[in-house]
Amino acid sequence: GQQLNQSPQSMFIQEGEDVSMNCTSSSIFNTWLWYKQDPGEGPVLLIALYKAGELTSNGRLTAQFGITRKDSFLNISASIPSDVGIYFCAGQLRYAGKSTFGDGTTLTVKP
Amino acid sequence: DAGVIQSPRHEVTEMGQEVTLRCKPISGHDYLFWYRQTMMRGLELLIYFNNNVPIDDSGMPEDRFSAKMPNASFSTLKIQPSEPRDSAVYFCASSLARDRGNQPQHFGDGTRLSIL
Repeated sequence: GQQLNQSPQSMFIQEGEDVSMNCTSSSIFNTWLWYKQDPGEGPVLLIALYKAGELTSNGRLTAQFGITRKDSFLNISASIPSDVGIYFCAGQLRYAGKSTFGDGTTLTVKP
Repeated sequence: DAGVIQSPRHEVTEMGQEVTLRCKPISGHDYLFWYRQTMMRGLELLIYFNNNVPIDDSGMPEDRFSAKMPNASFSTLKIQPSEPRDSAVYFCASSLARDRGNQPQHFGDGTRLSIL
């Protein structure tokens, strides 16, 4: 089945720094999704991307759907302590029902 | 609007006991998913339903695991008998099908299961 490679696995940054993480796949997806999971909670959708090349922002977050449909990245600008958590990418094929999730990037922000 | 509701939030039980996890999806959603999350294996899809019908249960670890969706507003994941290696956080998620393809999944807050 399809697999996603998400990197980096973890990041330790200083408050105020910018963050970049990405996901790659060996096959294409029709939709790319980025979720954030806070401790003790379920993943929450941050950004959904539906078209190749699409660049979408949500506050300090920006995500792009790669032109090849096989990758996506998420950037966080000017990180703050509440950005800590696990960030998951997910790919979805049209009408497939399920999503394929990456292994997550654990972000730690030092004040 | 109410999100996906899971119960219980925490469950601690002894090995060999039957465990039942419950999920109420978002009203009107067509798909329901059960996931298991552990440090070692990350987020694993166990099974998912479309319009109450199981579509893919290839992620269910063993025959000890079973899932049902008797109606559009309720699903259960049962483990019988439970084993210590079943300890994990179990998530339920639901999503809505659209003409352009399925919409993103909405997750519940999970059930943290500990088998002693």
